[in-house]
Amino acid sequence: QKEVEQDPGPLSVPEGAIVSLNCTYSNSAFQYFMWYRQYSRKGPELLMYTYSSGNKEDGRFTAQVDKSSKYISLFIRDSQPSDSATYLCAINYGGSQGNLIFGKGTKLSVKP
Amino acid sequence: NAGVMQNPRHLVRRRGQEARLRCSPMKGHSHVYWYRQLPEEGLKFMVYLQKENIIDESGMPKERFSAEFPKEGPSILRIQQVVRGDSAAYFCASSQGSNYGYTFGSGTRLTVV
Repeated sequence: QKEVEQDPGPLSVPEGAIVSLNCTYSNSAFQYFMWYRQYSRKGPELLMYTYSSGNKEDGRFTAQVDKSSKYISLFIRDSQPSDSATYLCAINYGGSQGNLIFGKGTKLSVKP
Repeated sequence: NAGVMQNPRHLVRRRGQEARLRCSPMKGHSHVYWYRQLPEEGLKFMVYLQKENIIDESGMPKERFSAEFPKEGPSILRIQQVVRGDSAAYFCASSQGSNYGYTFGSGTRLTVV
């Protein structure tokens, strides 16, 4: 079983839609959860970062972590064409084990 | 704050040559991470360094690859005797520590011909 699983999509939605992106992970020892956005031929950009179960909101973005189910989500409200990108979930153990483990990414397209 | 700076942005090497990729972390960040991204694949961890120390190199191939983060200057990822399979985007990230969010650079796209 892979450590992090993410549906690669592609996902196509109309402008204004609510988008739900999800990842599952296998090891309950993971402590830190991040979402990155990557535009084509660019580096990943950190969108959200959390270490506890529950919701964290930042503008149109909400990150949700359910440690009991080992499930993390990113919701995008009022999606815009500029949100079209690949979204990557990333997790790590924290402490001295600093490497992030990434999902393969979900490619999102928001149509005007 | 210029963010994480990587250079060169694009690098073309012939098989057997050496590739040197440079990364300057964000100001105030002492932790550096290198990742490789192959086409249609996710980001794969290679190595984690702090100043003058390799903390974790479990993701780096045992041969031909090396990394350093000297006391002065950028972090360097060095690939000796490159092969076609080394063609990929190499990303560097930095952070204040492993319990913080990581900031990525724009990457170096290596093409081996």
